Amino acid sequence: EVQLVESGGGLVQPGRSLTLSCTASGFSFGDYAISWFRQAPGKGLEWIGFIISGGTTENAASVKGRFTISREDSNGIAYLQMNSLKTEDTGVYYCSRDRRPFGMDVWGQGTTVTVSS
Amino acid sequence: DIVMTQSPVSLPVTPGEPASISCRSSQSLLHSNGHTYLDWYLQKPGKSPQLLIYLGSNRASGVPDRFSGSGSGTDFSLQISRVEAGDVGVYYCMQALQTPRTFGQGTKLEIK
Repeated sequence: EVQLVESGGGLVQPGRSLTLSCTASGFSFGDYAISWFRQAPGKGLEWIGFIISGGTTENAASVKGRFTISREDSNGIAYLQMNSLKTEDTGVYYCSRDRRPFGMDVWGQGTTVTVSS
Repeated sequence: DIVMTQSPVSLPVTPGEPASISCRSSQSLLHSNGHTYLDWYLQKPGKSPQLLIYLGSNRASGVPDRFSGSGSGTDFSLQISRVEAGDVGVYYCMQALQTPRTFGQGTKLEIK
């Protein structure tokens, strides 16, 4: 079964760091880009950034300089390292298999990040 | 950034009746390759988003043919020919032409 599973969410204080993982199974991970999205409580979807096969990344302006996306193709894992967290970073974080222009066709179940003192 | 605007915000529909959601972009989503980079996603209550339509009008694998996407340039729509109870949730359009990828604010479909 083609699947993505996020992990690593939790409660963290403002200014601290957290790293999320996105573990893939059922497909050749290294052949695909991975995108990260988030959803603040009761709000819509926001694109955070992506990492393509080969490692090139791009981030949204709202997280640039604070969030870093990386990947470990040998283990089928993508990471979202989040530094200098703010309360407005609170939400559910999703990773997806990015088959642009054929869409984000596989999504993880999401992991919840709460930034609060 | 490309701004995506959806309407309506809320869409109550009687089962068996059709439904239509509109999505407009602040600039054309036509790529130089001739394709339109517009996706539609459905987020069912408590679930992750799922891909419905890519490149404006192509149904994703497993999506019933009750769902169809149309439009060009800056004006797009998602049609459901006969709404079923399992179609409830929030529908989002997303432009994939350029970064940042941007979404419409969502349309919440509910059953009357």
